[in-house]
Amino acid sequence: DVKVTQSSRYLVKRTGEKVFLECVQDMDHENMFWYRQDPGLGLRLIYFSYDVKMKEKGDIPEGYSVSREKKERFSLILESASTNQTSMYLCASSLGGASNQPQHFGDGTRLSIL
Amino acid sequence: AQTVTQSQPEMSVQEAETVTLSCTYDTSENNYYLFWYKQPPSRQMILVIRQEAYKQQNATENRFSVNFQKAAKSFSLKISDSQLGDTAMYFCAFLRAQKLVFGQGTRLTINP
Repeated sequence: DVKVTQSSRYLVKRTGEKVFLECVQDMDHENMFWYRQDPGLGLRLIYFSYDVKMKEKGDIPEGYSVSREKKERFSLILESASTNQTSMYLCASSLGGASNQPQHFGDGTRLSIL
Repeated sequence: AQTVTQSQPEMSVQEAETVTLSCTYDTSENNYYLFWYKQPPSRQMILVIRQEAYKQQNATENRFSVNFQKAAKSFSLKISDSQLGDTAMYFCAFLRAQKLVFGQGTRLTINP
């Protein structure tokens, strides 16, 4: 089974802090994703990576950056956290190549910015 | 741009009943893939079922089946003989170019 592991289930940070959310997958997947989940809005794509050191903006990239130095690890960075970034963050991975592969998700990180 | 709409924010049924969750989408593409994901209170998103747009036959996975109407751009999920463990958020999603577009979600509660 695919395992996608997010480093924290709950995280509390302060406004202005630099925040790192880490995600690791163990299935050698090419694609990795970061989503934000808010009530009534579903999941919205923040950033997407289809290979090491490659990244592509999603629908809501403002205030976020990402890093993918190794294939199995994809980090989401909040450069200067703000209260409107309080949310649930989900990481996912999928095989590259054919476009029909389902995504596999981690357990999510509930981030609170005070 | 593709959009996905789930018009039922919440639903509630009794155990063993059948329930149908609605989903509509908008796209100009002809070949694409549709998914239903389940997110139980434990939070991990689990793939329930998927449908390839070029296939006429509706997908089925045990108690879960879809009613895919391509012309109407409708993709509903039917859960038969519902169980308490089916209580979860359900998300409809459209996949193209390896990226998913999600609906707003439907919170389904199965009552004993």
